[in-house]
Amino acid sequence: GPKVLQIPSHQIIDMGQMVTLNCDPVSNHLYFYWYKQILGQQMEFLVNFYNGKVMEKSKLFKDQFSVERPDGSYFTLKIQPTALEDSAVYFCASSWTGGNTLYFGEGSRLIVV
Amino acid sequence: QQQVRQSSQSLTVWEGETAILNCSYENSAFDYFPWYQQFPGEGPALLIAIRSVSDKKEDGRFTIFFNKREKNLSLHIKDSQPGDSATYFCAASEASGSWQLIFGSGTQLTVMP
Repeated sequence: GPKVLQIPSHQIIDMGQMVTLNCDPVSNHLYFYWYKQILGQQMEFLVNFYNGKVMEKSKLFKDQFSVERPDGSYFTLKIQPTALEDSAVYFCASSWTGGNTLYFGEGSRLIVV
Repeated sequence: QQQVRQSSQSLTVWEGETAILNCSYENSAFDYFPWYQQFPGEGPALLIAIRSVSDKKEDGRFTIFFNKREKNLSLHIKDSQPGDSATYFCAASEASGSWQLIFGSGTQLTVMP
Protein backbone atom coordinates (compact mmCIF):
# COMPACT_ATOMS: atom_id res chain seq x y z
CA GLY A 1 0.00 0.00 0.00
CA PRO A 2 0.93 3.67 0.04
CA LYS A 3 4.03 4.40 2.09
CA VAL A 4 4.99 7.33 4.26
CA LEU A 5 8.69 7.43 5.02
CA GLN A 6 10.16 9.04 8.11
CA ILE A 7 13.76 10.00 8.74
CA PRO A 8 15.39 9.50 11.20
CA SER A 9 13.86 6.38 12.75
CA HIS A 10 15.34 7.38 16.07
CA GLN A 11 17.42 10.18 17.53
CA ILE A 12 18.94 11.01 20.89
CA ILE A 13 19.45 14.70 21.51
CA ASP A 14 20.55 16.92 24.36
CA MET A 15 17.89 19.08 25.98
CA GLY A 16 17.90 22.56 24.48
CA GLN A 17 19.19 21.48 21.09
CA MET A 18 17.19 21.68 17.89
CA VAL A 19 15.83 18.63 16.10
CA THR A 20 14.22 18.24 12.69
CA LEU A 21 12.07 15.24 11.90
CA ASN A 22 11.55 14.55 8.22
CA CYS A 23 8.60 12.99 6.47
CA ASP A 24 8.21 11.92 2.87
CA PRO A 25 4.42 11.64 2.45
CA VAL A 26 2.52 9.57 -0.07
CA SER A 27 2.92 11.18 -3.48
CA ASN A 28 -0.17 13.15 -4.59
CA HIS A 29 -1.46 13.46 -1.03
CA LEU A 30 -2.38 17.00 -0.09
CA TYR A 31 -2.87 16.90 3.68
CA PHE A 32 -0.11 16.26 6.17
CA TYR A 33 -0.16 15.59 9.88
CA TRP A 34 2.06 15.06 12.88
CA TYR A 35 1.00 12.95 15.86
CA LYS A 36 2.83 12.27 19.13
CA GLN A 37 2.72 8.93 20.91
CA ILE A 38 4.24 8.28 24.31
CA LEU A 39 5.10 4.72 25.43
CA GLY A 40 2.67 3.00 23.04
CA GLN A 41 -0.25 5.01 24.36
CA GLN A 42 -2.79 6.89 22.29
CA MET A 43 -1.86 8.94 19.28
CA GLU A 44 -2.20 12.62 20.12
CA PHE A 45 -2.81 15.12 17.35
CA LEU A 46 -0.24 17.87 17.01
CA VAL A 47 -0.88 19.67 13.75
CA ASN A 48 -2.23 19.40 10.24
CA PHE A 49 -0.97 21.20 7.18
CA TYR A 50 -2.47 21.94 3.79
CA ASN A 51 -1.53 24.14 0.89
CA GLY A 52 1.56 25.43 2.67
CA LYS A 53 -0.28 26.42 5.84
CA VAL A 54 -1.00 25.11 9.30
CA MET A 55 -4.74 24.48 9.34
CA GLU A 56 -5.18 23.24 12.90
CA LYS A 57 -2.93 22.66 15.87
CA SER A 58 -3.47 21.28 19.34
CA LYS A 59 -2.27 22.63 22.67
CA LEU A 60 0.57 20.08 22.46
CA PHE A 61 1.94 22.01 19.49
CA LYS A 62 4.02 24.40 21.58
CA ASP A 63 5.65 27.61 20.38
CA GLN A 64 8.91 25.69 20.09
CA PHE A 65 7.37 23.54 17.34
CA SER A 66 7.17 24.46 13.68
CA VAL A 67 6.27 22.68 10.46
CA GLU A 68 6.94 23.34 6.83
CA ARG A 69 7.14 21.68 3.45
CA PRO A 70 9.36 23.82 1.26
CA ASP A 71 8.83 23.29 -2.47
CA GLY A 72 7.18 19.88 -2.17
CA SER A 73 10.14 18.32 -0.43
CA TYR A 74 10.05 16.72 3.00
CA PHE A 75 7.30 17.72 5.40
CA THR A 76 9.27 18.60 8.52
CA LEU A 77 8.63 19.01 12.22
CA LYS A 78 11.21 21.17 13.94
CA ILE A 79 11.52 21.48 17.69
CA GLN A 80 13.71 24.30 18.95
CA PRO A 81 14.66 24.14 21.75
CA THR A 82 13.85 20.60 22.82
CA ALA A 83 12.66 19.74 26.34
CA LEU A 84 12.66 16.45 28.26
CA GLU A 85 8.89 16.09 27.82
CA ASP A 86 9.33 16.09 24.05
CA SER A 87 10.64 12.53 24.28
CA ALA A 88 8.14 10.42 22.33
CA VAL A 89 7.54 8.74 19.00
CA TYR A 90 6.43 11.24 16.40
CA PHE A 91 4.30 9.90 13.59
CA CYS A 92 3.83 11.65 10.30
CA ALA A 93 0.72 10.94 8.25
CA SER A 94 -0.72 12.07 4.95
CA SER A 95 -4.09 11.87 3.26
CA TRP A 96 -5.70 12.72 -0.05
CA THR A 97 -8.65 14.47 1.61
CA GLY A 98 -8.74 16.16 5.00
CA GLY A 99 -9.34 14.06 8.11
CA ASN A 100 -10.22 10.79 6.41
CA THR A 101 -7.94 7.91 5.55
CA LEU A 102 -4.58 8.75 7.03
CA TYR A 103 -1.50 6.80 6.08
CA PHE A 104 1.12 6.75 8.80
CA GLY A 105 4.85 6.37 8.70
CA GLU A 106 6.72 4.09 11.07
CA GLY A 107 7.54 6.92 13.42
CA SER A 108 10.62 8.79 14.60
CA ARG A 109 11.58 7.95 18.16
CA LEU A 110 12.98 11.04 19.85
CA ILE A 111 14.82 10.80 23.14
CA VAL A 112 15.75 14.07 24.82
CA VAL A 113 18.37 13.72 27.56
CA GLN B 1 -12.49 14.72 28.78
CA GLN B 2 -11.65 12.10 26.17
CA GLN B 3 -13.62 12.53 22.99
CA VAL B 4 -13.05 8.93 21.89
CA ARG B 5 -13.02 6.27 24.59
CA GLN B 6 -11.91 2.68 24.50
CA SER B 7 -12.93 1.15 27.78
CA SER B 8 -10.67 -1.90 27.66
CA GLN B 9 -6.95 -1.35 27.83
CA SER B 10 -6.33 -5.00 27.02
CA LEU B 11 -8.21 -8.07 25.83
CA THR B 12 -7.14 -11.71 25.59
CA VAL B 13 -8.95 -14.30 23.51
CA TRP B 14 -8.18 -17.81 22.31
CA GLU B 15 -7.40 -18.58 18.70
CA GLY B 16 -10.61 -19.08 16.75
CA GLU B 17 -12.77 -16.96 19.07
CA THR B 18 -14.38 -13.65 18.13
CA ALA B 19 -12.65 -10.67 19.70
CA ILE B 20 -14.91 -7.69 20.42
CA LEU B 21 -13.35 -4.28 20.95
CA ASN B 22 -15.57 -1.43 22.10
CA CYS B 23 -15.41 2.28 21.51
CA SER B 24 -17.61 5.25 22.41
CA TYR B 25 -17.49 8.93 21.53
CA GLU B 26 -18.77 12.29 22.73
CA ASN B 27 -19.01 14.54 19.71
CA SER B 28 -22.24 14.16 17.73
CA ALA B 29 -20.54 15.82 14.76
CA PHE B 30 -18.19 12.86 14.28
CA ASP B 31 -19.17 11.00 11.16
CA TYR B 32 -16.14 8.95 10.11
CA PHE B 33 -14.80 6.16 12.32
CA PRO B 34 -11.70 4.24 11.28
CA TRP B 35 -10.03 1.48 13.24
CA TYR B 36 -6.26 1.34 13.11
CA GLN B 37 -4.06 -1.65 13.89
CA GLN B 38 -0.60 -1.08 15.30
CA PHE B 39 2.15 -3.65 15.83
CA PRO B 40 5.06 -2.84 18.18
CA GLY B 41 7.62 -0.59 16.55
CA GLU B 42 5.39 0.24 13.59
CA GLY B 43 3.01 3.00 12.65
CA PRO B 44 -0.75 2.49 12.81
CA ALA B 45 -2.32 1.04 9.69
CA LEU B 46 -5.94 1.48 8.64
CA LEU B 47 -7.87 -1.72 9.15
CA ILE B 48 -11.50 -0.84 8.41
CA ALA B 49 -13.67 2.26 8.61
CA ILE B 50 -17.35 3.19 8.75
CA ARG B 51 -19.37 6.35 8.19
CA SER B 52 -22.23 7.31 10.47
CA VAL B 53 -24.84 6.72 7.75
CA SER B 54 -24.18 2.98 8.08
CA ASP B 55 -24.69 0.67 11.02
CA LYS B 56 -22.45 -2.14 9.85
CA LYS B 57 -19.33 -2.52 7.75
CA GLU B 58 -17.75 -5.86 6.99
CA ASP B 59 -14.38 -6.69 5.45
CA GLY B 60 -13.36 -10.32 5.66
CA ARG B 61 -12.98 -11.30 9.31
CA PHE B 62 -13.42 -7.72 10.50
CA THR B 63 -16.81 -6.11 11.15
CA ILE B 64 -17.73 -2.75 12.62
CA PHE B 65 -21.11 -2.40 14.33
CA PHE B 66 -22.15 1.22 14.77
CA ASN B 67 -24.90 2.68 16.98
CA LYS B 68 -25.37 6.37 16.29
CA ARG B 69 -28.05 6.88 18.93
CA GLU B 70 -25.88 5.41 21.68
CA LYS B 71 -22.68 6.94 20.26
CA ASN B 72 -20.78 3.71 20.34
CA LEU B 73 -19.25 1.21 17.98
CA SER B 74 -17.46 -2.07 18.18
CA LEU B 75 -14.93 -3.96 16.12
CA HIS B 76 -15.51 -7.69 15.85
CA ILE B 77 -12.64 -9.90 14.75
CA LYS B 78 -13.95 -13.34 13.81
CA ASP B 79 -11.80 -16.45 13.98
CA SER B 80 -9.02 -14.57 15.77
CA GLN B 81 -5.47 -15.57 14.89
CA PRO B 82 -2.24 -15.08 16.87
CA GLY B 83 -1.14 -12.73 14.08
CA ASP B 84 -4.03 -10.43 15.02
CA SER B 85 -2.28 -9.68 18.32
CA ALA B 86 -1.71 -5.93 18.18
CA THR B 87 -3.04 -2.68 19.58
CA TYR B 88 -6.27 -1.48 18.01
CA PHE B 89 -7.14 2.20 17.99
CA CYS B 90 -10.63 3.54 17.41
CA ALA B 91 -10.61 7.01 15.86
CA ALA B 92 -13.13 9.61 14.74
CA SER B 93 -13.35 12.76 12.66
CA GLU B 94 -15.96 15.26 11.57
CA ALA B 95 -17.41 15.63 8.09
CA SER B 96 -16.40 19.25 7.83
CA GLY B 97 -14.72 22.01 9.74
CA SER B 98 -12.03 19.99 11.46
CA TRP B 99 -9.58 17.63 9.82
CA GLN B 100 -8.38 16.21 13.07
CA LEU B 101 -8.55 12.46 13.44
CA ILE B 102 -9.05 11.90 17.17
CA PHE B 103 -7.78 8.60 18.55
CA GLY B 104 -8.88 6.54 21.50
CA SER B 105 -6.31 5.20 23.95
CA GLY B 106 -6.17 1.79 22.26
CA THR B 107 -6.94 -1.81 23.19
CA GLN B 108 -4.09 -4.28 23.24
CA LEU B 109 -5.39 -7.58 21.87
CA THR B 110 -3.62 -10.83 22.59
CA VAL B 111 -4.73 -13.96 20.76
CA MET B 112 -3.53 -17.08 22.50
CA PRO B 113 -2.77 -20.12 20.30
